Amino acid sequence: QKEVEQNSGPLSVPEGAIASLNCTYSDRGSQSFFWYRQYSGKSPELIMFIYSNGDKEDGRFTAQLNKASQYVSLLIRDSQPSDSATYLCAVNKGNTGNQFYFGTGTSLTVIP
Amino acid sequence: NAGVTQTPKFQVLKTGQSMTLQCAQDMNHNSMYWYRQDPGMGLRLIYYSASEGTTDKGEVPNGYNVSRLNKREFSLRLESAAPSQTSVYFCASNRDRGVGWSNQPQHFGDGTRLSIL
Repeated sequence: QKEVEQNSGPLSVPEGAIASLNCTYSDRGSQSFFWYRQYSGKSPELIMFIYSNGDKEDGRFTAQLNKASQYVSLLIRDSQPSDSATYLCAVNKGNTGNQFYFGTGTSLTVIP
Repeated sequence: NAGVTQTPKFQVLKTGQSMTLQCAQDMNHNSMYWYRQDPGMGLRLIYYSASEGTTDKGEVPNGYNVSRLNKREFSLRLESAAPSQTSVYFCASNRDRGVGWSNQPQHFGDGTRLSIL
């Protein structure tokens, strides 16, 4: 069983719509959760993180965490063509040694 | 701040050649990581180092060696390059101790695009 699972997509949404990206994780003891955006040919860049159940908003982005369901999501409101990228979900398990586990990413295309 | 710096950015090798990928961070982070990223495979951990002088294998360590030279630098060496090692290599670091350590993200370098013919 993979530590972090994401739907690889591709996910296509029209400009101005809400894009919803989902992620599940296997270790119930995981501490914190991160969303990275990766443009083609570039390195991953952090969008936001969340560690408490509920929603966390930052501009057009909202991260949602449900620890009981072991589920993390990222909502992008008013999607723009510049949001077209691969979105990586990452989990910090908070243990000693390697702590980070990444999903394989979801490819998002925002259609003008 | 430079953050995480990787060199070189691009490299083409012939099968059997050796080379070292360099990584340095200026954020005083304890932990450093080497990943490879292939299409459809996501980021796969090669090796990581939780502190100076310690290294541990990740998911795909075969064919690679690493050195944590000091707190800033973590190098990845291919002793005898193979076409299967053609990939994009990312170095990352994060702070993993102190107040709020579990909320600290990994910071990535720009990557090294390596082709082995």
